[in-house]
Amino acid sequence: GENVEQHPSTLSVQEGDSAVIKCTYSDSASNYFPWYKQELGKGPQLIIDIRSNVGEKKDQRIAVTLNKTAKHFSLHITETQPEDSAVYFCAARKADSWGKLQFGAGTQVVVTP
Amino acid sequence: NAGVTQTPKFQVLKTGQSMTLQCAQDMNHNSMYWYRQDPGMGLRLIYYSASEGTTDKGEVPNGYNVSRLNKREFSLRLESAAPSQTSVYFCASNTGNNEKLFFGSGTQLSVL
Repeated sequence: GENVEQHPSTLSVQEGDSAVIKCTYSDSASNYFPWYKQELGKGPQLIIDIRSNVGEKKDQRIAVTLNKTAKHFSLHITETQPEDSAVYFCAARKADSWGKLQFGAGTQVVVTP
Repeated sequence: NAGVTQTPKFQVLKTGQSMTLQCAQDMNHNSMYWYRQDPGMGLRLIYYSASEGTTDKGEVPNGYNVSRLNKREFSLRLESAAPSQTSVYFCASNTGNNEKLFFGSGTQLSVL
């Protein structure tokens, strides 16, 4: 089955700096890669996603890049703010497994003022 | 519009006790899911229901049962709780036109 590895497990950044979280996946059949943000005491929320036919996607301060050859994808947060502090999860899904995501272990991001 | 509602929010059980976690969504979604979240392991799929009347096993189904009561409700039952089932449980839903998962706020379960 699919295996998703996520690094780092914790990330501390100064407010205004950039943060990068990296994930690798094992199944070349995976074609959908979402990122979820989980604030303390809440359920995860989708912040951005990318499909295998696209190499990069941006939404304001957030961007995701995908390298299908190397089987890795990354989340980039620019100009970090205190409200970006949360746990971020990457995930992957195969084409024939609609809705069934394989999640990474998560990255705790702390943005210090 | 409440989204996905889970009850209870917290629960403490003794080993061997049973309980049912409730989940309801008001977004008219076809598919519903149960995940567990453990430190350092992300979210793992327990069971899912692609549509009303169907249920299927996910990655970690042992020790659990589910019921898709109707389109709105999807319950998770622990028949004989074990300490290994101490976790935070999340219910989620989505619909055929959109892969985005909508999560509830979770149930923190401790089995002593």
